[in-house]
Amino acid sequence: DSGVTQTPKHLITATGQRVTLRCSPRSGDLSVYWYQQSLDQGLQFLIQYYNGEERAKGNILERFSAQQFPDLHSELNLSSLELGDSALYFCASSLDPGKRQYFGPGTRLTVT
Amino acid sequence: DQQVKQNSPSLSVQEGRISILNCDYTNSMFDYFLWYKKYPAEGPTFLISISSIKDKNEDGRFTVFLNKSAKHLSLHIVPSQPGDSAVYFCAASARDNAGNMLTFGGGTRLMVKP
Repeated sequence: DSGVTQTPKHLITATGQRVTLRCSPRSGDLSVYWYQQSLDQGLQFLIQYYNGEERAKGNILERFSAQQFPDLHSELNLSSLELGDSALYFCASSLDPGKRQYFGPGTRLTVT
Repeated sequence: DQQVKQNSPSLSVQEGRISILNCDYTNSMFDYFLWYKKYPAEGPTFLISISSIKDKNEDGRFTVFLNKSAKHLSLHIVPSQPGDSAVYFCAASARDNAGNMLTFGGGTRLMVKP
């Protein structure tokens, strides 16, 4: 158990809909990262927050947004969903940038 | 442009033998490298890391070697066990990367046969 929790574990929704994925980092970790893994491909970095502020952006679509709250949990919002958004979404946390990241179990999103 | 590449999508090894997983990178700014193991339906689990100031780091059955001039790293697992069967990702980060996000390779599926 990495100490990082993600909810929900599975999510099935229709095209055009909006969903919110939630992540609670390990106790004390200030950085939260979101990654997408599509169809047995590698992990693509989406976005990072550090202590409530956006720190870095990767290949995140404009339809996607995220935020980190004062209690350090983070939410990833995916809107106008398309079939191609079906993937595993992982959250990771670390004490600070430069330290190894601990991954949650992921949320499997299926868009039908 | 893939900055971190794992050119072997799969590797099959007999139990007790050595498993060698390879990873190449192109970004000379990378200075910290990690290996993660991933089982199906689970998040990646950290295995071992190495800083660019070293060329070898060992932890039990796992050893990571870094060849900076060749921009190549490898993970050696000795002896390999059936429980090691998983997908292995190498990842890299750069010190001056404001967010220090990890850039992952595409993964290598290791199968250890009993």
